[in-house]
Amino acid sequence: KNEVEQSPQNLTAQEGEFITINCSYSVGISALHWLQQHPGGGIVSLFMLSSGKKKHGRLIATINIQEKHSSLHITASHPRDSAVYICAVKNSGSARQLTFGSGTQLTVLP
Amino acid sequence: DTAVSQTPKYLVTQMGNDKSIKCEQNLGHDTMYWYKQDSKKFLKIMFSYNNKELIINETVPNRFSPKSPDKAHLNLHINSLELGDSAVYFCASSQLVGNTEAFFGQGTRLTVV
Repeated sequence: KNEVEQSPQNLTAQEGEFITINCSYSVGISALHWLQQHPGGGIVSLFMLSSGKKKHGRLIATINIQEKHSSLHITASHPRDSAVYICAVKNSGSARQLTFGSGTQLTVLP
Repeated sequence: DTAVSQTPKYLVTQMGNDKSIKCEQNLGHDTMYWYKQDSKKFLKIMFSYNNKELIINETVPNRFSPKSPDKAHLNLHINSLELGDSAVYFCASSQLVGNTEAFFGQGTRLTVV
């Protein structure tokens, strides 16, 4: 079992739909990242959370530390949101490396 | 200015060759990482350096040797390349203490033929 589990693995939505991607983890963390990877490969950090909720434009990320669970929501989805979304936890050990979920391939159709 | 820059972006080489990937960050971070993304897009830590000192060395063949001449640079040298080394390699940096964002390079797609 991976230390970081994401669901769903693949998600297809119509433009305008509300989207939720979930992430559960089983290790001690100092923070959780949501990352976006577009075709062509670059990785961009969308959010870093250690508690509560953050919002940036149409993106909202929440984390429940007690339940070891985080969600990424996209409101009013758009085809340009199509990408792979990756949950990554920052290890609470000395090196603070990231441990990644397997990613969610999101396709938003016009 | 690019925060974390990797070169080259694409690298195609024959089995048995030795190659290097360079990474530089201009963010003043004290910690740099190499991650490998396999064909299923799964990312995994390979190495981490903090202030030029190796702090993580995952189960990676010793044909892979990281070199950190200073805290702004972390290069990855690979000897005797094998077909299974084909992957995308990402460099990243962050500050070890405190919860800072991780910044990633654009990735290097290595293809071994």
